[in-house]
Amino acid sequence: DTGVSQNPRHKITKRGQNVTFRCDPISEHNRLYWYRQTLGQGPEFLTYFQNEAQLEKSRLLSDRFSAERPKGSFSTLEIQRTEQGDSAMYLCASRKRGPNNEQFFGPGTRLTVL
Amino acid sequence: GNSVTQMEGPVTLSEEAFLTINCTYTATGYPSLFWYVQYPGEGLQLLLKATKADDKGSNKGFEATYRKETTSFHLEKGSVQVSDSAVYFCALTLLNFGNEKLTFGTGTRLTIIP
Repeated sequence: DTGVSQNPRHKITKRGQNVTFRCDPISEHNRLYWYRQTLGQGPEFLTYFQNEAQLEKSRLLSDRFSAERPKGSFSTLEIQRTEQGDSAMYLCASRKRGPNNEQFFGPGTRLTVL
Repeated sequence: GNSVTQMEGPVTLSEEAFLTINCTYTATGYPSLFWYVQYPGEGLQLLLKATKADDKGSNKGFEATYRKETTSFHLEKGSVQVSDSAVYFCALTLLNFGNEKLTFGTGTRLTIIP
């Protein structure tokens, strides 16, 4: 399978714990995006990487959130001191450079904070 | 700011009925417009897109026309099938900011009954 993969698919954690999610983009894609989708809503942009550089962060991304893409390949999204409001589906997408190229989405990681 | 407004769901239709899902947008600049579809248990997939005014995107019998004068990108299909049951998201992106992050509507859940 050469699509975007995300792990884990599901994560249940207790409030206050730290969690980390991983995204593996399509191999030749240098752009990588993280979105968050809450129940009944569309995905909301969180952050964007071009190769290993994090070029934009949404104000939705509080200081408890950090994302990395150390070698310009896979990316991780970490949430520290999780809160119940962090419960959501976290989506990763990747695309090739160039205008209007399609963003390919992974299946998402569903986070439940108890 | 940039935003997308979709008709609220859920929408339930009989097989072979005509489908319209309304989408209007607000954008600073000249957006590209997209329809994404999320089938049960699967990730977001691009259904169709249009990158400039009066362009028509089409795929799998679905069509949408980029109407700049009404800032709309309504999704239509002449004869729906049970397999079209899914959640449909209208989205936009702006090329001039370079990152091409997507701004989504809230989604419309479509159910087709045999």
